[in-house]
Amino acid sequence: QQPVQSPQAVILREGEDAVINCSSSKALYSVHWYRQKHGEAPVFLMILLKGGEQKGHEKISASFNEKKQQSSLYLTASQLSYSGTYFCGTESGGYQKVTFGTGTKLQVIP
Amino acid sequence: EPEVTQTPSHQVTQMGQEVILRCVPISNHLYFYWYRQILGQKVEFLVSFYNNEISEKSEIFDDQFSVERPDGSNFTLKIRSTKLEDSAMYFCASRANRESEKLFFGSGTQLSVL
Repeated sequence: QQPVQSPQAVILREGEDAVINCSSSKALYSVHWYRQKHGEAPVFLMILLKGGEQKGHEKISASFNEKKQQSSLYLTASQLSYSGTYFCGTESGGYQKVTFGTGTKLQVIP
Repeated sequence: EPEVTQTPSHQVTQMGQEVILRCVPISNHLYFYWYRQILGQKVEFLVSFYNNEISEKSEIFDDQFSVERPDGSNFTLKIRSTKLEDSAMYFCASRANRESEKLFFGSGTQLSVL
């Protein structure tokens, strides 16, 4: 069952912040985050393992709440280059496949 | 950074024809995947492959689909008799090991079935 992301779409002005949420009905071992530009392959952003750690660098970070089976991606001081569709990907048991979420389309405007 | 290579970048075929999509994963990777994405929609898992056999497949991956790793470097997806609804971008991905390493995606093959 695929993870559900919210919001489905968001428009930001440069410099604004955004939060994208990912929720799963299954117990999770890890959560991946990818960004996809139109017509291109998904590009890896980060992986979070169970344990509730927060990862990332200064402007893009993420958290993982294992108990709630949720992850959030935080984009701060957004730049035009952040535009794209963000997908979370989750792994449950078996570690063999990553199931991608419904996607969040982010558009940053000047 | 090492890359996953996919060929062709675009494939146009007639309904009912067979197509083979090719991928060269990163050389020391052990896990291989095919995903597809219908325009504007989510990235859907098709199949995972490890140790020369399918480890998991989705309900999309029916008898019309097959995968092979014929020569230790290429990883192919065959669709035996294409349908209109098979039109999509097909992504190959590979992964170094099972301990939650990231997926490396190829640039995709856009399949159009007419």
